[in-house]
Amino acid sequence: DIQMTQSPSSLSASVGDRVTITCQASQDISNYLNWYQQKPGKAPKLLIYDASNLETGVPSRFSGSGSGTDFTFTISSLQPEDIATYYCQQYDNLPPSFGQGTKLEIK
Amino acid sequence: QLQLQESGSGLVKPSQTLSLTCAVSGGSISSGGYSWSWIRQPPGKGLEWIGYIYHSGSTYYNPSLKSRVTISVDRSKNQFSLKLSSVTAADTAVYYCASSRGYSYGGWGQGTLVTVSS
Repeated sequence: DIQMTQSPSSLSASVGDRVTITCQASQDISNYLNWYQQKPGKAPKLLIYDASNLETGVPSRFSGSGSGTDFTFTISSLQPEDIATYYCQQYDNLPPSFGQGTKLEIK
Repeated sequence: QLQLQESGSGLVKPSQTLSLTCAVSGGSISSGGYSWSWIRQPPGKGLEWIGYIYHSGSTYYNPSLKSRVTISVDRSKNQFSLKLSSVTAADTAVYYCASSRGYSYGGWGQGTLVTVSS
């Protein structure tokens, strides 16, 4: 199975800050990577697919980049409603696998 | 817009079989190009993909669970189901059903907590 490692595991930032989360795959996954947002008690929500494509309806302050083994997820200007845990997910090889999550808090 | 809703027993005894159903509305489960998956999340932990059934009926299961998992579809009821046998406390989790084109999960149920306990 492909292992996905996110960093940091938790992050505290202020409203308006630029926030970056990284995700590293244990092997080359091309651009077969998604990013999800999960708020407490809710199901995950797809934000970014194919590493850099914004899902319909998702605010443009969210973005993704990368290919191969190293990927980045960015919130350009943190909003209070962005408080959540974020997960990366690869789908180059079955089974699909998720990172361990990054919990984002407001400072 | 597809909507998914899980249902089933919230408490299962060790060694028994966990059974959940996901009702799909807003579209046909037989629609080409969609796969229907189960994903779980132990309390306070990350996400684990369990398996999928494709619109054609073909299935793929996570090798870590393969010997215990069955996913099936009931087209007449527009729903799909999960059975997980020989459960232990390690199977306690919130279980989500999800829809996707490929492996990008754009549709999710609200999740249902299943506790394994005697």
